[in-house]
Amino acid sequence: DVKVTQSSRYLVKRTGEKVFLECVQDMDHENMFWYRQDPGLGLRLIYFSYDVKMKEKGDIPEGYSVSREKKERFSLILESASTNQTSMYLCASSTRAGNTEAFFGQGTRLTVV
Amino acid sequence: AQSVAQPEDQVNVAEGNPLTVKCTYSVSGNPYLFWYVQYPNRGLQFLLKYITGDNLVKGSYGFEAEFNKSQTSFHLKKPSALVSDSALYFCAVEVAAGNKLTFGGGTRVLVKP
Repeated sequence: DVKVTQSSRYLVKRTGEKVFLECVQDMDHENMFWYRQDPGLGLRLIYFSYDVKMKEKGDIPEGYSVSREKKERFSLILESASTNQTSMYLCASSTRAGNTEAFFGQGTRLTVV
Repeated sequence: AQSVAQPEDQVNVAEGNPLTVKCTYSVSGNPYLFWYVQYPNRGLQFLLKYITGDNLVKGSYGFEAEFNKSQTSFHLKKPSALVSDSALYFCAVEVAAGNKLTFGGGTRVLVKP
Protein backbone atom coordinates (compact mmCIF):
# COMPACT_ATOMS: atom_id res chain seq x y z
CA ASP A 1 0.00 0.00 0.00
CA VAL A 2 1.39 3.37 -1.01
CA LYS A 3 2.18 5.75 1.77
CA VAL A 4 2.96 9.33 2.58
CA THR A 5 3.93 9.59 6.20
CA GLN A 6 4.09 12.78 8.22
CA SER A 7 6.22 12.54 11.31
CA SER A 8 3.74 14.04 13.76
CA ARG A 9 -0.03 14.12 13.93
CA TYR A 10 -0.16 16.91 16.50
CA LEU A 11 2.43 19.49 17.51
CA VAL A 12 2.38 22.36 19.97
CA LYS A 13 5.19 24.90 19.70
CA ARG A 14 5.99 28.26 21.20
CA THR A 15 6.16 31.53 19.32
CA GLY A 16 9.64 32.09 17.95
CA GLU A 17 10.64 28.43 17.90
CA LYS A 18 12.11 26.84 14.80
CA VAL A 19 9.78 24.04 13.74
CA PHE A 20 10.49 21.11 11.44
CA LEU A 21 7.69 19.11 9.79
CA GLU A 22 8.87 15.95 8.11
CA CYS A 23 7.29 14.01 5.28
CA VAL A 24 8.41 10.71 3.76
CA GLN A 25 6.95 8.89 0.74
CA ASP A 26 7.67 5.36 -0.39
CA MET A 27 6.45 5.58 -3.99
CA ASP A 28 9.61 6.96 -5.62
CA HIS A 29 7.65 10.07 -6.64
CA GLU A 30 9.46 13.03 -8.12
CA ASN A 31 7.01 15.70 -6.94
CA MET A 32 6.34 16.57 -3.34
CA PHE A 33 4.15 19.32 -1.93
CA TRP A 34 3.41 21.12 1.31
CA TYR A 35 -0.02 22.67 1.83
CA ARG A 36 -1.73 24.29 4.73
CA GLN A 37 -5.45 23.80 5.26
CA ASP A 38 -7.53 26.42 7.01
CA PRO A 39 -11.33 26.55 7.32
CA GLY A 40 -12.86 28.49 4.44
CA LEU A 41 -9.54 28.84 2.65
CA GLY A 42 -9.11 25.31 1.36
CA LEU A 43 -5.62 24.02 0.66
CA ARG A 44 -3.00 26.62 -0.07
CA LEU A 45 0.32 25.61 -1.57
CA ILE A 46 3.35 26.64 0.46
CA TYR A 47 6.19 25.03 -1.48
CA PHE A 48 6.67 22.18 -3.88
CA SER A 49 9.63 20.23 -5.17
CA TYR A 50 9.95 18.37 -8.45
CA ASP A 51 13.33 16.81 -7.77
CA VAL A 52 16.01 16.40 -5.15
CA LYS A 53 17.40 19.77 -4.06
CA MET A 54 14.89 21.56 -6.29
CA LYS A 55 12.12 23.71 -4.84
CA GLU A 56 9.55 26.18 -6.04
CA LYS A 57 7.54 28.70 -4.07
CA GLY A 58 3.84 28.14 -3.92
CA ASP A 59 1.20 30.72 -3.16
CA ILE A 60 2.08 31.43 0.49
CA PRO A 61 5.80 30.80 1.07
CA GLU A 62 6.41 33.66 3.49
CA GLY A 63 7.68 32.46 6.85
CA TYR A 64 8.48 28.98 5.54
CA SER A 65 11.38 27.19 3.92
CA VAL A 66 11.84 23.64 2.69
CA SER A 67 14.53 21.05 2.27
CA ARG A 68 14.73 18.07 -0.02
CA GLU A 69 18.05 16.30 0.34
CA LYS A 70 16.69 12.87 -0.57
CA LYS A 71 14.00 11.92 -3.04
CA GLU A 72 11.73 10.35 -0.46
CA ARG A 73 11.87 13.12 2.14
CA PHE A 74 10.52 16.68 2.03
CA SER A 75 10.82 18.86 5.10
CA LEU A 76 8.91 22.05 5.89
CA ILE A 77 10.65 24.52 8.18
CA LEU A 78 9.06 27.36 10.09
CA GLU A 79 12.03 29.60 10.78
CA SER A 80 10.38 31.45 13.66
CA ALA A 81 6.93 30.14 14.44
CA SER A 82 4.11 32.62 14.85
CA THR A 83 0.53 32.20 16.02
CA ASN A 84 -0.80 32.84 12.51
CA GLN A 85 0.97 29.66 11.42
CA THR A 86 -1.36 27.59 13.56
CA SER A 87 -2.94 25.31 11.00
CA MET A 88 -3.26 21.83 9.53
CA TYR A 89 -0.27 21.01 7.32
CA LEU A 90 -0.61 18.43 4.57
CA CYS A 91 2.18 16.79 2.62
CA ALA A 92 1.58 15.16 -0.76
CA SER A 93 3.54 13.43 -3.51
CA SER A 94 2.95 12.63 -7.17
CA THR A 95 4.79 11.51 -10.27
CA ARG A 96 6.42 14.05 -12.52
CA ALA A 97 4.08 13.15 -15.38
CA GLY A 98 1.48 15.41 -13.90
CA ASN A 99 -1.43 13.32 -15.03
CA THR A 100 -1.59 11.11 -11.99
CA GLU A 101 -3.19 11.74 -8.67
CA ALA A 102 -1.36 13.05 -5.65
CA PHE A 103 -1.16 10.99 -2.48
CA PHE A 104 -1.57 12.75 0.82
CA GLY A 105 -0.33 12.20 4.31
CA GLN A 106 -2.65 12.29 7.31
CA GLY A 107 -1.69 15.82 8.17
CA THR A 108 0.02 17.57 11.07
CA ARG A 109 -2.06 19.86 13.21
CA LEU A 110 0.32 22.53 14.45
CA THR A 111 -0.60 24.88 17.25
CA VAL A 112 1.69 27.82 17.97
CA VAL A 113 1.16 29.35 21.40
CA ALA B 1 -1.35 32.00 -12.66
CA GLN B 2 -3.67 29.09 -12.23
CA SER B 3 -6.66 29.11 -9.91
CA VAL B 4 -9.68 27.07 -8.91
CA ALA B 5 -13.02 28.31 -7.62
CA GLN B 6 -15.63 26.34 -5.74
CA PRO B 7 -18.50 28.79 -5.43
CA GLU B 8 -20.45 26.93 -2.74
CA ASP B 9 -19.12 26.56 0.78
CA GLN B 10 -21.75 23.94 1.57
CA VAL B 11 -24.20 21.79 -0.34
CA ASN B 12 -27.13 20.14 1.41
CA VAL B 13 -28.96 17.27 -0.24
CA ALA B 14 -31.40 14.59 0.83
CA GLU B 15 -30.30 10.99 0.63
CA GLY B 16 -31.22 9.47 -2.72
CA ASN B 17 -31.27 12.82 -4.52
CA PRO B 18 -28.70 13.88 -7.11
CA LEU B 19 -25.60 15.63 -5.84
CA THR B 20 -23.64 18.29 -7.72
CA VAL B 21 -20.54 20.09 -6.50
CA LYS B 22 -19.38 22.95 -8.71
CA CYS B 23 -15.84 23.80 -9.80
CA THR B 24 -14.44 26.31 -12.27
CA TYR B 25 -10.80 26.84 -13.12
CA SER B 26 -8.43 29.28 -14.77
CA VAL B 27 -5.16 28.19 -16.34
CA SER B 28 -2.83 29.07 -19.18
CA GLY B 29 -2.53 25.87 -21.12
CA ASN B 30 -4.19 22.49 -21.03
CA PRO B 31 -5.49 21.51 -17.61
CA TYR B 32 -5.37 18.30 -15.71
CA LEU B 33 -8.37 18.33 -13.33
CA PHE B 34 -8.92 16.35 -10.16
CA TRP B 35 -11.47 15.82 -7.43
CA TYR B 36 -10.49 14.78 -3.91
CA VAL B 37 -12.58 14.00 -0.85
CA GLN B 38 -11.71 14.44 2.81
CA TYR B 39 -13.64 12.54 5.44
CA PRO B 40 -13.49 13.76 9.06
CA ASN B 41 -10.04 13.32 10.61
CA ARG B 42 -8.71 11.74 7.45
CA GLY B 43 -6.28 12.78 4.74
CA LEU B 44 -7.39 13.65 1.22
CA GLN B 45 -8.40 10.79 -1.03
CA PHE B 46 -8.43 10.85 -4.82
CA LEU B 47 -11.86 10.49 -6.49
CA LEU B 48 -11.33 11.04 -10.20
CA LYS B 49 -9.39 12.97 -12.83
CA TYR B 50 -9.68 14.43 -16.29
CA ILE B 51 -6.58 14.30 -18.44
CA THR B 52 -7.80 14.15 -22.02
CA GLY B 53 -10.43 12.45 -24.15
CA ASP B 54 -14.01 11.83 -23.06
CA ASN B 55 -15.41 14.84 -21.22
CA LEU B 56 -17.33 12.63 -18.78
CA VAL B 57 -15.08 10.82 -16.36
CA LYS B 58 -16.12 8.25 -13.82
CA GLY B 59 -14.44 7.71 -10.50
CA SER B 60 -14.68 6.05 -7.13
CA TYR B 61 -17.85 5.54 -5.06
CA GLY B 62 -20.19 6.23 -8.00
CA PHE B 63 -18.98 9.78 -8.60
CA GLU B 64 -18.51 11.29 -12.03
CA ALA B 65 -17.47 14.68 -13.37
CA GLU B 66 -17.96 16.53 -16.62
CA PHE B 67 -15.22 18.61 -18.19
CA ASN B 68 -16.56 21.65 -20.06
CA LYS B 69 -13.79 23.54 -21.82
CA SER B 70 -15.92 26.45 -23.01
CA GLN B 71 -17.21 27.10 -19.49
CA THR B 72 -13.89 26.14 -17.85
CA SER B 73 -15.82 23.94 -15.44
CA PHE B 74 -15.41 20.50 -13.94
CA HIS B 75 -18.49 19.79 -11.82
CA LEU B 76 -18.67 16.70 -9.65
CA LYS B 77 -21.88 14.67 -9.73
CA LYS B 78 -23.49 11.65 -8.18
CA PRO B 79 -26.91 10.45 -9.31
CA SER B 80 -28.05 9.27 -5.87
CA ALA B 81 -26.34 10.61 -2.75
CA LEU B 82 -25.69 8.55 0.37
CA VAL B 83 -25.37 9.78 3.95
CA SER B 84 -21.83 8.39 3.85
CA ASP B 85 -20.98 10.90 1.08
CA SER B 86 -21.04 13.68 3.67
CA ALA B 87 -17.52 15.07 3.56
CA LEU B 88 -15.35 17.93 2.31
CA TYR B 89 -14.73 17.93 -1.44
CA PHE B 90 -11.85 19.65 -3.20
CA CYS B 91 -11.34 20.40 -6.87
CA ALA B 92 -7.75 20.78 -8.10
CA VAL B 93 -5.98 21.77 -11.32
CA GLU B 94 -2.54 21.21 -12.72
CA VAL B 95 -1.25 22.61 -15.97
CA ALA B 96 0.00 19.83 -18.20
CA ALA B 97 3.55 19.02 -17.20
CA GLY B 98 3.66 22.02 -14.93
CA ASN B 99 3.89 20.16 -11.62
CA LYS B 100 2.11 22.78 -9.53
CA LEU B 101 -1.15 21.42 -8.13
CA THR B 102 -3.64 24.12 -7.07
CA PHE B 103 -6.76 23.46 -5.01
CA GLY B 104 -10.06 25.22 -4.59
CA GLY B 105 -11.47 26.32 -1.27
CA GLY B 106 -13.47 23.17 -0.74
CA THR B 107 -17.20 22.42 -0.54
CA ARG B 108 -18.74 20.71 2.43
CA VAL B 109 -21.43 18.22 1.44
CA LEU B 110 -24.09 17.27 3.93
CA VAL B 111 -26.40 14.43 2.96
CA LYS B 112 -29.41 14.13 5.21
CA PRO B 113 -31.30 10.88 5.68
